[in-house]
Amino acid sequence: GAVVSQHPSWVICKSGTSVKIECRSLDFQATTMFWYRQFPKQSLMLMATSNEGSKATYEQGVEKDKFLINHASLTLSTLTVTSAHPEDSSFYICSATRLAASYEQYFGPGTRLTVT
Amino acid sequence: AQTVTQSQPEMSVQEAETVTLSCTYDTSESDYYLFWYKQPPSRQMILVIRQEAYKQQNATENRFSVNFQKAAKSFSLKISDSQLGDAAMYFCAYRDSNYQLIWGAGTKLIIKP
Repeated sequence: GAVVSQHPSWVICKSGTSVKIECRSLDFQATTMFWYRQFPKQSLMLMATSNEGSKATYEQGVEKDKFLINHASLTLSTLTVTSAHPEDSSFYICSATRLAASYEQYFGPGTRLTVT
Repeated sequence: AQTVTQSQPEMSVQEAETVTLSCTYDTSESDYYLFWYKQPPSRQMILVIRQEAYKQQNATENRFSVNFQKAAKSFSLKISDSQLGDAAMYFCAYRDSNYQLIWGAGTKLIIKP
């Protein structure tokens, strides 16, 4: 149980376009979802925290107009990278917590974004 | 603010031997959770072990165990009988009161056959 999926797993887009990444909790209701960014050989960097039906809380230094997060339901959160540029190329990971075990985050497999 | 420090960028161990990965943290909270996550080349984060701060007993999961020293704010991971499949990045993480994880920089574990 407690499976989180991400789609797509890998995406290439042209500079200036937007790309949407989906994060779904498959077998539980996610009270909170988190979005991370990970650069090669580095740790995870928290971008934002979102709760269903509420606006996401962004970490300092993360552009909320560039990284749009929507948490429309208890099983789906989306991250849209708007007007993507090559420097946005990275590995994006989502995680989710459930009410019954809020101390633990369940991670998606990640999405590799390449902007050309 | 809480911080998590992993001072070993890379560790190597002979297959079947035991290795210990270090982690220290800083917090003023008394109740919290600590985690060790494994990230293999697939980059899927996998929970290895969890420790609740109010529990004095060290957590164990099969070949994985921790040495939790609350006063010293130390949380090391011991891997016994190392296997080739244990090769990965290992991250120590602290869960704060906002349910966010504070991450260490990671330790790359190499298993020598």
